[in-house]
Amino acid sequence: DSGVTQTPKHLITATGQRVTLRCSPRSGDLSVYWYQQSLDQGLQFLIQYYNGEERAKGNILERFSAQQFPDLHSELNLSSLELGDSALYFCASSGGLAGGTIDTQYFGPGTRLTVL
Amino acid sequence: AQSVAQPEDQVNVAEGNPLTVKCTYSVSGNPYLFWYVQYPNRGLQFLLKYITGDNLVKGSYGFEAEFNKSQTSFHLKKPSALVSDSALYFCAVRDAKNYGGSQGNLIFGKGTKLSVKP
Repeated sequence: DSGVTQTPKHLITATGQRVTLRCSPRSGDLSVYWYQQSLDQGLQFLIQYYNGEERAKGNILERFSAQQFPDLHSELNLSSLELGDSALYFCASSGGLAGGTIDTQYFGPGTRLTVL
Repeated sequence: AQSVAQPEDQVNVAEGNPLTVKCTYSVSGNPYLFWYVQYPNRGLQFLLKYITGDNLVKGSYGFEAEFNKSQTSFHLKKPSALVSDSALYFCAVRDAKNYGGSQGNLIFGKGTKLSVKP
């Protein structure tokens, strides 16, 4: 158990809909990263938050957005869903102490999104 | 652009034999390299990382990895494979473009499926 929790575990929805995925980082971790795993694209970085602020962006679609709340949990919002958005979405957290050793990212169990 | 390559989609070994899962990298600057394992319907579990220092890194579950700067490789190894090691293995490099201090997102290889037969 990595200490990172994600809900829900599975999500089935229809095209055009909007969903929210939730992540709680390990206790004390300030950074949250979101990744998407699909068969054709592999594991891709979407976005990172550090202590409530957006820190870095990867291959995140404009239809997707995220935020990190004061209690450090994070939500990934996916809207106007398309069939191609079906994937496994992972959240990872790390300590994020600037200037410290290179952080290890610990991954949650993922949310499997199926768009029908 | 930074990247990692895992040249083998699948590696098959017999239980008790040594195993190697290959990874090569391309980075600008210092390479910070990681190995993760993914079991079916599970998240990624951290195995080990190379930051600096000794080229042989020891990690969880008896795995180790050898960093080779001249060959830009970071192969994962285990002296004696177990059936329970069967899983999907990912090599990753930290993206220097998006880092600050100790942080930075990971760029993953496509993964290598390891199958250990009894």
